[in-house]
Amino acid sequence: QSALTQPRSVSGSPGQSVTISCTGTSSDVGDYNYVSWFQHHSGQAPKLMIYDVGKRPSGVPDRFSGSKSGNTASLTISGLQAEDEADYYCSSHAGSYTLIFGGGTKLTVL
Amino acid sequence: QVQLVQSGAEVKKPGASVKVSCRSSGYTFTAYYMHWVRQAPGQGPEWMGWINPNGYTNYAQKFQGRITMTRDTSISAVYMELSSLTSNDTAVYYCARELIGSSSFGFLDYWGQGSLVTVSS
Repeated sequence: QSALTQPRSVSGSPGQSVTISCTGTSSDVGDYNYVSWFQHHSGQAPKLMIYDVGKRPSGVPDRFSGSKSGNTASLTISGLQAEDEADYYCSSHAGSYTLIFGGGTKLTVL
Repeated sequence: QVQLVQSGAEVKKPGASVKVSCRSSGYTFTAYYMHWVRQAPGQGPEWMGWINPNGYTNYAQKFQGRITMTRDTSISAVYMELSSLTSNDTAVYYCARELIGSSSFGFLDYWGQGSLVTVSS
């Protein structure tokens, strides 16, 4: 089972919006509305930003939003801020209560 | 406050086994699964499996036969043991909790700090 496909890197200037894609298959992203997104600053524990495709846990700014179309999920960060610079990973239910992760996307705030 | 505290870094030789611990505090241990996720240098995370408080486990197919997850509810701890180590197992290993019985899956809301396992001869 291959990892979900994410772009290696994306970038944007402060105040702009960026979107990170996460492409899977009809056996994972396409079949379940259980896509999560995690923010990971180096040396820290990953932080859950989005779950169930588009829901935000308490405390996550509404600048972060998620969506899904077919086998591809997306994370959009609007009003980009310097502290958003991090690695972002998607995950999806892959059947039988298993998870699959994406390869990760490095977000650079210019 | 919720805390997941993992054991320290380990260096192992190829063919050996490693056992990583994850001790929980600040929440009801028996209400959560514990997932294990690893991240090799320069790569994305890789899901390894989960254990529930009853000891039921669900392992990723890739690790079947050489992974064992256990728990000790008396001290709110879970353990992940990986055997037959190779250099490809060099990674940071994380535990992460998920609420049992929710309508979601993949809601890993708290993670441990990570445990670096290095496999080298």
